[in-house]
Amino acid sequence: AQKITQTQPGMFVQEKEAVTLDCTYDTSDPSYGLFWYKQPSSGEMIFLIYQGSYDQQNATEGRYSLNFQKARKSANLVISASQLGDSAMYFCAMREAYNTDKLIFGTGTRLQVFP
Amino acid sequence: NAGVTQTPKFQVLKTGQSMTLQCAQDMNHNSMYWYRQDPGMGLRLIYYSASEGTTDKGEVPNGYNVSRLNKREFSLRLESAAPSQTSVYFCASRGRTQSSYNEQFFGPGTRLTVL
Repeated sequence: AQKITQTQPGMFVQEKEAVTLDCTYDTSDPSYGLFWYKQPSSGEMIFLIYQGSYDQQNATEGRYSLNFQKARKSANLVISASQLGDSAMYFCAMREAYNTDKLIFGTGTRLQVFP
Repeated sequence: NAGVTQTPKFQVLKTGQSMTLQCAQDMNHNSMYWYRQDPGMGLRLIYYSASEGTTDKGEVPNGYNVSRLNKREFSLRLESAAPSQTSVYFCASRGRTQSSYNEQFFGPGTRLTVL
C-alpha cells in the first residue's frame, strides 16, 4: 500500500538560510507523482511543487526545489533563503498513476523561521 | 474567480445532530474531494467524486455521506454527529489539463466541533 512518511515534526531555521524538509514514500506503482503543500496558520492549503516519477530533472519553483532520489524513495523539499513568511506546516503527498484521483498525505512538518 | 468555497467556516454540533457541509468550485473542474484534518494525522480522504454523477469512498468514509449535486457542488453530510468527527474539513477540486500534475485546489476549510 502506498505510504508517505515525514519524520520531522518540527524544524527551525534562521532567516536567509536554506532548510530541507524530509519526505519518504512507498509505492509499488512505477508511475506516480509527488506534491508538496504549504499550510500557513490561516489554514489554507497552498500547492508548492510537483515531481513526476519519470521526470529526469529535479523540480524547481522559485525558492523551492525538490531533491528527488528515486532509488531511496525520497522527495525532500529544499527552501532556499528562508523568509519569515515561510513559517507554516508543510505536507508531502503522493498520487499513484493507476488512481489519479487519490492523494495520500504525510503527517506534516512544522517549520519555524526565526530572525 | 473565487476558486473553492466552503460553508460554513465554523460549526458546533451536539452529539447526534446532523448537518451538511457545502462546497462549490468555479474552475470547471471534474474531480472534487472531501478531506478531514486531525492534529498529527495529516489530511485523510473521506470521499471523492471523479465526475458529475459519481462518488467513491476514500480512506475514512464511515459516518459520512456525499452528494455531487452538479459539476460545481459537492456536499458532505454527517447524519448523526459524533465527537470523533471533530476535525477541520477541507474540500478540494482538480481539473484535467495537459499539465502533468493537475494539482488539487483546496477550499479554506470548515472547523467542526462535536460536543
